[in-house]
Amino acid sequence: GAVVSQHPSWVICKSGTSVKIECRSLDFQATTMFWYRQFPKQSLMLMATSNEGSKATYEQGVEKDKFLINHASLTLSTLTVTSAHPEDSSFYICSARTATQQFFGPGTRLTVL
Amino acid sequence: KQEVTQIPAALSVPEGENLVLNCSFTDSAIYNLQWFRQDPGKGLTSLLLIQSSQREQTSGRLNASLDKSSGRSTLYIAASQPGDSATYLCAVQGGSEKLVFGKGTKLTVNP
Repeated sequence: GAVVSQHPSWVICKSGTSVKIECRSLDFQATTMFWYRQFPKQSLMLMATSNEGSKATYEQGVEKDKFLINHASLTLSTLTVTSAHPEDSSFYICSARTATQQFFGPGTRLTVL
Repeated sequence: KQEVTQIPAALSVPEGENLVLNCSFTDSAIYNLQWFRQDPGKGLTSLLLIQSSQREQTSGRLNASLDKSSGRSTLYIAASQPGDSATYLCAVQGGSEKLVFGKGTKLTVNP
């Protein structure tokens, strides 16, 4: 099956710093990738849809200037959490879409101190 | 707005038992429904995908059914094993290709 990787798998940073998370489709090209956030004991919530070569589409309530998404190639999308705060601590999961379904990455655990 | 509910939130069973996980959704206009498995601190593994025109899908000991008109799906796990312990997530996809997830059912299979 299609494989999606994320890097890093976990990161700890100080409040006010920025963190970049990479999402790669390893064996297929993805024109569309998705970024989700999951808080403890909660469901995955879609943050934004990332389209190769164009601006991302953000869900209501998600600050586009805080969560910067870049989809520079058909195999790579990045999420940068700018000026991170403790409330941004969460599990961030990306997915990449083929013609028939989405495949999910292993997730990145972000802890902001 | 589509809402997905999963019942129960947690389930603990002895090894070997057959079990059913439930998923309901409010808007029956879906494109497909998918069941995922999530291990602690890990990403999602797709288990079964049911298209809106299908009634069920089977993979090994897993069987998922879909009743689109009533907004319900079930995941049946036969002869449960300790390795089945995980959180099971249900997600529906509407015409916008966005997935809407339930909160999941945390399954524990005791040896």
